[in-house]
Amino acid sequence: KAGVTQTPRYLIKTRGQQVTLSCSPISGHRSVSWYQQTPGQGLQFLFEYFSETQRNKGNFPGRFSGRQFSNSRSEMNVSTLELGDSALYLCASSPGLAGGAQETQYFGPGTRLLVL
Amino acid sequence: SQQGEEDPQALSIQEGENATMNCSYKTSINNLQWYRQNSGRGLVHLILIRSNEREKHSGRLRVTLDTSKKSSSLLITASRAADTASYFCATDQAGTALIFGKGTTLSVSS
Repeated sequence: KAGVTQTPRYLIKTRGQQVTLSCSPISGHRSVSWYQQTPGQGLQFLFEYFSETQRNKGNFPGRFSGRQFSNSRSEMNVSTLELGDSALYLCASSPGLAGGAQETQYFGPGTRLLVL
Repeated sequence: SQQGEEDPQALSIQEGENATMNCSYKTSINNLQWYRQNSGRGLVHLILIRSNEREKHSGRLRVTLDTSKKSSSLLITASRAADTASYFCATDQAGTALIFGKGTTLSVSS
């Protein structure tokens, strides 16, 4: 099976802009989770989607949002970008039946976002 | 918030030596997972151990879990240069989100 893919791989934006990142899960996986990784805060959970519904949400401001489509592909959007949003954004997929936190997560290569 | 905390933060060893990393967490869990990350890339799953298990093996990897001490350890035997990476433990917080520690950076030199 093909692995988790994320697009784009690299992105440069300026403060105030918005950005949309895309994640295609492993075929058959219905859960997609998003994480932000920074040197200071480490890996932080953003949200999890399952069957087009947000199932869990981390402690991030409302500028961070996501959605999932009927084919399980997911997008996350960050509006009004701030310098502190510069990070590696990782998505992970899992079958989802037991809940993302109870299952092995399969990670994509990440999207590296730089906000200037 | 960080549920798991790895120790040490960094570890340098020679090829052939064993590497041990520890993880401590704060609240009760259903499972604990270990992941590896090579140089800012995606994470690779290593082992998932459930709260009713005490030890699991996978190749050169051995994971133990002590729920009474709220701690886990990852042992890599006969380390290779290719094991150079960051290692993270992750726990399910309140059964919902997977929460990662800040990781241990392992450097294996030949």
